[in-house]
Amino acid sequence: DAGITQSPRHKVTETGTPVTLRCHQTENHRYMYWYRQDPGHGLRLIHYSYGVKDTDKGEVSDGYSVSRSKTEDFLLTLESATSSQTSVYFCAISDGVLGSPLHFGNGTRLTVT
Amino acid sequence: DQQVKQNSPSLSVQEGRISILNCDYTNSMFDYFLWYKKYPAEGPTFLISISSIKDKNEDGRFTVFLNKSAKHLSLHIVPSQPGDSAVYFCAATNYGGSQGNLIFGKGTKLSVKP
Repeated sequence: DAGITQSPRHKVTETGTPVTLRCHQTENHRYMYWYRQDPGHGLRLIHYSYGVKDTDKGEVSDGYSVSRSKTEDFLLTLESATSSQTSVYFCAISDGVLGSPLHFGNGTRLTVT
Repeated sequence: DQQVKQNSPSLSVQEGRISILNCDYTNSMFDYFLWYKKYPAEGPTFLISISSIKDKNEDGRFTVFLNKSAKHLSLHIVPSQPGDSAVYFCAATNYGGSQGNLIFGKGTKLSVKP
Protein backbone atom coordinates (compact mmCIF):
# COMPACT_ATOMS: atom_id res chain seq x y z
CA ASP A 1 0.00 0.00 0.00
CA ALA A 2 1.13 3.52 -0.76
CA GLY A 3 2.10 5.34 2.44
CA ILE A 4 -0.91 7.59 2.88
CA THR A 5 -2.46 8.31 6.26
CA GLN A 6 -5.62 10.33 6.69
CA SER A 7 -6.67 11.72 10.05
CA PRO A 8 -9.07 11.63 11.66
CA ARG A 9 -10.83 8.60 10.18
CA HIS A 10 -14.18 9.69 11.54
CA LYS A 11 -15.43 13.06 12.75
CA VAL A 12 -18.77 14.48 13.78
CA THR A 13 -19.03 18.23 14.00
CA GLU A 14 -21.68 20.91 14.24
CA THR A 15 -22.75 23.32 11.54
CA GLY A 16 -20.67 26.47 11.55
CA THR A 17 -17.58 25.01 13.19
CA PRO A 18 -14.19 24.88 11.47
CA VAL A 19 -12.79 21.48 10.58
CA THR A 20 -9.36 20.45 9.31
CA LEU A 21 -8.60 17.10 7.75
CA ARG A 22 -5.03 15.94 7.38
CA CYS A 23 -3.34 13.83 4.75
CA HIS A 24 0.20 12.61 5.35
CA GLN A 25 2.31 10.74 2.79
CA THR A 26 5.64 8.99 3.08
CA GLU A 27 6.21 8.55 -0.68
CA ASN A 28 7.66 12.01 -1.37
CA HIS A 29 5.22 12.41 -4.26
CA ARG A 30 4.84 15.83 -5.79
CA TYR A 31 1.08 15.77 -6.36
CA MET A 32 -1.61 15.51 -3.70
CA TYR A 33 -5.36 15.65 -4.08
CA TRP A 34 -8.52 15.90 -2.02
CA TYR A 35 -11.66 14.20 -3.32
CA ARG A 36 -15.09 13.77 -1.81
CA GLN A 37 -17.35 10.80 -2.41
CA ASP A 38 -21.11 11.10 -2.22
CA PRO A 39 -23.87 8.68 -3.23
CA GLY A 40 -24.86 9.26 -6.83
CA HIS A 41 -21.81 11.42 -7.55
CA GLY A 42 -18.80 9.16 -7.56
CA LEU A 43 -15.60 10.95 -6.54
CA ARG A 44 -15.22 14.67 -7.19
CA LEU A 45 -12.03 16.71 -6.95
CA ILE A 46 -12.00 19.48 -4.34
CA HIS A 47 -8.44 20.85 -4.49
CA TYR A 48 -5.07 19.59 -5.52
CA SER A 49 -1.44 20.50 -4.98
CA TYR A 50 1.45 20.25 -7.42
CA GLY A 51 4.14 21.20 -4.94
CA VAL A 52 4.81 22.91 -1.63
CA LYS A 53 2.65 26.03 -1.43
CA ASP A 54 1.30 25.32 -4.95
CA THR A 55 -2.39 24.50 -4.97
CA ASP A 56 -5.33 24.85 -7.31
CA LYS A 57 -9.08 24.39 -7.28
CA GLY A 58 -10.96 21.37 -8.44
CA GLU A 59 -14.55 20.81 -9.47
CA VAL A 60 -16.18 21.37 -6.04
CA SER A 61 -13.88 23.79 -4.22
CA ASP A 62 -16.46 26.21 -2.76
CA GLY A 63 -16.39 26.19 1.04
CA TYR A 64 -12.98 24.51 1.22
CA SER A 65 -9.41 25.70 1.50
CA VAL A 66 -6.15 23.78 1.47
CA SER A 67 -2.58 24.25 2.52
CA ARG A 68 0.64 22.45 1.81
CA SER A 69 3.61 23.72 3.80
CA LYS A 70 5.57 20.46 3.52
CA THR A 71 5.81 17.85 0.79
CA GLU A 72 4.35 15.18 3.05
CA ASP A 73 1.30 17.02 4.40
CA PHE A 74 -1.81 18.33 2.66
CA LEU A 75 -4.51 19.88 4.82
CA LEU A 76 -8.15 20.40 3.89
CA THR A 77 -10.05 23.01 5.89
CA LEU A 78 -13.75 23.65 6.07
CA GLU A 79 -13.87 27.17 7.48
CA SER A 80 -17.51 26.89 8.55
CA ALA A 81 -18.90 23.41 8.08
CA THR A 82 -22.34 22.93 6.53
CA SER A 83 -24.55 19.85 6.32
CA SER A 84 -23.90 19.64 2.57
CA GLN A 85 -20.26 18.92 3.41
CA THR A 86 -21.20 15.67 5.12
CA SER A 87 -19.26 13.22 3.00
CA VAL A 88 -16.37 10.79 2.82
CA TYR A 89 -13.15 12.59 2.00
CA PHE A 90 -10.27 10.87 0.24
CA CYS A 91 -6.73 12.05 -0.14
CA ALA A 92 -4.71 10.81 -3.10
CA ILE A 93 -1.09 11.13 -4.20
CA SER A 94 0.74 10.85 -7.50
CA ASP A 95 4.30 11.20 -8.73
CA GLY A 96 2.90 12.86 -11.87
CA VAL A 97 4.71 10.52 -14.23
CA LEU A 98 2.61 9.67 -17.27
CA GLY A 99 1.05 6.30 -16.66
CA SER A 100 1.36 6.43 -12.88
CA PRO A 101 -2.03 6.16 -11.23
CA LEU A 102 -3.29 8.06 -8.21
CA HIS A 103 -3.08 6.17 -4.94
CA PHE A 104 -5.76 6.83 -2.36
CA GLY A 105 -5.89 6.89 1.40
CA ASN A 106 -8.62 5.11 3.33
CA GLY A 107 -10.78 8.17 3.76
CA THR A 108 -12.25 10.37 6.47
CA ARG A 109 -15.95 10.12 7.15
CA LEU A 110 -17.21 13.57 8.15
CA THR A 111 -20.68 14.19 9.51
CA VAL A 112 -21.91 17.75 9.97
CA THR A 113 -24.98 17.94 12.21
CA ASP B 1 -22.61 17.81 -17.36
CA GLN B 2 -21.08 14.42 -16.67
CA GLN B 3 -17.92 13.82 -18.64
CA VAL B 4 -17.56 10.20 -17.53
CA LYS B 5 -20.66 8.07 -17.33
CA GLN B 6 -21.25 4.64 -15.87
CA ASN B 7 -24.86 3.98 -16.71
CA SER B 8 -25.27 0.75 -14.79
CA PRO B 9 -25.37 1.34 -11.02
CA SER B 10 -25.15 -2.37 -10.32
CA LEU B 11 -24.29 -5.69 -11.94
CA SER B 12 -24.74 -9.22 -10.66
CA VAL B 13 -22.91 -12.21 -12.15
CA GLN B 14 -22.31 -15.82 -11.25
CA GLU B 15 -18.90 -16.95 -10.06
CA GLY B 16 -16.78 -18.17 -12.96
CA ARG B 17 -18.65 -16.16 -15.58
CA ILE B 18 -17.53 -12.95 -17.28
CA SER B 19 -18.24 -9.54 -15.78
CA ILE B 20 -18.41 -6.62 -18.20
CA LEU B 21 -18.48 -3.11 -16.81
CA ASN B 22 -19.05 -0.23 -19.18
CA CYS B 23 -18.04 3.41 -19.23
CA ASP B 24 -18.71 6.26 -21.68
CA TYR B 25 -17.01 9.62 -21.89
CA THR B 26 -17.73 12.86 -23.67
CA ASN B 27 -14.46 14.79 -23.58
CA SER B 28 -12.32 13.99 -26.62
CA MET B 29 -9.29 15.49 -24.85
CA PHE B 30 -9.08 12.58 -22.43
CA ASP B 31 -5.98 10.56 -23.23
CA TYR B 32 -5.71 8.18 -20.31
CA PHE B 33 -8.31 5.98 -18.67
CA LEU B 34 -8.24 4.04 -15.44
CA TRP B 35 -10.36 1.62 -13.47
CA TYR B 36 -10.44 1.62 -9.71
CA LYS B 37 -12.00 -0.90 -7.35
CA LYS B 38 -13.40 0.11 -3.99
CA TYR B 39 -14.37 -2.00 -1.02
CA PRO B 40 -16.51 -0.54 1.80
CA ALA B 41 -14.61 1.58 4.33
CA GLU B 42 -11.49 1.58 2.16
CA GLY B 43 -10.05 3.95 -0.40
CA PRO B 44 -10.22 3.18 -4.13
CA THR B 45 -7.41 0.98 -5.36
CA PHE B 46 -5.98 1.14 -8.84
CA LEU B 47 -6.87 -1.83 -11.02
CA ILE B 48 -5.86 -1.27 -14.62
CA SER B 49 -5.37 1.57 -17.10
CA ILE B 50 -5.16 2.23 -20.80
CA SER B 51 -3.67 4.97 -22.89
CA SER B 52 -5.60 6.45 -25.79
CA ILE B 53 -2.97 5.13 -28.20
CA LYS B 54 -4.04 1.57 -27.39
CA ASP B 55 -7.32 -0.27 -27.75
CA LYS B 56 -6.70 -3.07 -25.28
CA ASN B 57 -4.73 -3.70 -22.11
CA GLU B 58 -4.67 -6.94 -20.19
CA ASP B 59 -3.55 -7.82 -16.69
CA GLY B 60 -4.36 -11.31 -15.55
CA ARG B 61 -8.12 -11.73 -15.27
CA PHE B 62 -8.73 -8.05 -16.08
CA THR B 63 -8.87 -6.58 -19.59
CA VAL B 64 -9.80 -3.05 -20.54
CA PHE B 65 -10.99 -2.24 -24.05
CA LEU B 66 -11.07 1.26 -25.49
CA ASN B 67 -13.16 2.34 -28.48
CA LYS B 68 -12.16 5.93 -29.14
CA SER B 69 -14.57 6.51 -32.01
CA ALA B 70 -17.47 5.55 -29.74
CA LYS B 71 -15.89 7.20 -26.67
CA HIS B 72 -16.48 3.97 -24.81
CA LEU B 73 -14.43 1.70 -22.64
CA SER B 74 -15.19 -1.52 -20.89
CA LEU B 75 -13.62 -3.67 -18.18
CA HIS B 76 -13.83 -7.44 -18.55
CA ILE B 77 -13.22 -9.73 -15.60
CA VAL B 78 -12.78 -13.39 -16.49
CA PRO B 79 -13.44 -15.53 -14.56
CA SER B 80 -15.31 -13.55 -11.95
CA GLN B 81 -14.68 -14.42 -8.31
CA PRO B 82 -16.64 -13.55 -5.15
CA GLY B 83 -13.71 -11.41 -4.00
CA ASP B 84 -14.28 -9.19 -7.04
CA SER B 85 -17.50 -7.94 -5.44
CA ALA B 86 -16.91 -4.21 -5.03
CA VAL B 87 -17.74 -0.86 -6.55
CA TYR B 88 -15.82 -0.17 -9.75
CA PHE B 89 -15.07 3.36 -10.85
CA CYS B 90 -14.06 4.40 -14.32
CA ALA B 91 -11.86 7.50 -14.48
CA ALA B 92 -10.36 9.61 -17.22
CA THR B 93 -7.80 12.36 -17.50
CA ASN B 94 -5.93 14.57 -19.89
CA TYR B 95 -2.35 14.21 -18.71
CA GLY B 96 -1.17 16.99 -20.89
CA GLY B 97 -3.50 19.57 -19.46
CA SER B 98 -4.60 18.66 -15.96
CA GLN B 99 -1.61 17.30 -14.09
CA GLY B 100 -3.30 13.95 -13.87
CA ASN B 101 -6.52 15.13 -12.22
CA LEU B 102 -9.03 12.35 -12.61
CA ILE B 103 -12.67 12.68 -13.60
CA PHE B 104 -14.63 9.78 -12.15
CA GLY B 105 -17.84 8.08 -13.11
CA LYS B 106 -20.45 7.36 -10.46
CA GLY B 107 -19.43 3.73 -10.12
CA THR B 108 -20.92 0.30 -10.74
CA LYS B 109 -21.48 -2.09 -7.86
CA LEU B 110 -20.49 -5.59 -8.91
CA SER B 111 -21.82 -8.59 -7.01
CA VAL B 112 -20.34 -11.96 -7.82
CA LYS B 113 -22.46 -14.78 -6.47
CA PRO B 114 -20.92 -18.14 -5.51
